[in-house]
Amino acid sequence: GAGVSQTPSNKVTEKGKYVELRCDPISGHTALYWYRQSLGQGPEFLIYFQGTGAADDSGLPNDRFFAVRPEGSVSTLKIQRTERGDSAVYLCASSLSRNSPLHFGNGTRLTVT
Amino acid sequence: DQQVKQNSPSLSVQEGRISILNCDYTNSMFDYFLWYKKYPAEGPTFLISISSIKDKNEDGRFTVFLNKSAKHLSLHIVPSQPGDSAVYFCAASEVQGGSEKLVFGKGTKLTVNP
Repeated sequence: GAGVSQTPSNKVTEKGKYVELRCDPISGHTALYWYRQSLGQGPEFLIYFQGTGAADDSGLPNDRFFAVRPEGSVSTLKIQRTERGDSAVYLCASSLSRNSPLHFGNGTRLTVT
Repeated sequence: DQQVKQNSPSLSVQEGRISILNCDYTNSMFDYFLWYKKYPAEGPTFLISISSIKDKNEDGRFTVFLNKSAKHLSLHIVPSQPGDSAVYFCAASEVQGGSEKLVFGKGTKLTVNP
């Protein structure tokens, strides 16, 4: 079946611009996660949704980052006033329930110039 | 402060031999551990997990060992195959603590030579 889909696969933007990254989870998966992976590092937790609500957003680095999941399926990660330090691969994952293994998408590579 | 450490950035083994990937953690509240495999330009793929109530979990060629007193886990791949060449991430979480976060190590790049 279809896995986690992330669009776009690559995004280049200028410093100061606004970007939106989209995640389409596996159908039926109620839990959705965003992670960020910088070069040479492991994935770093950003936010977790259970259904429509953000159950844990403690990993968001600052208030320029925001994520929504209005209907409990597709999620959008929004970054305002992008900075060069935001350049990374943004990974989305979903799971069937709490404590089930995460299924990751292929990520969106964000480059801020 | 890294809570999950993979101290070997890379490992090279011959096809057919055993690959041993190591992981150390500092947070004694971690009670669930996972290994993920990642190919270039793809997302991490779940490989195997272990709960802190066990010290070993096996799935085919993959076995994970957990030593809670040493805060150490390892992934054994026997026999290693060229298709196993990838970056392997160790991850941990505090399930009993209600946390949904996975904390990842920096990864170990495994190369299996034919």
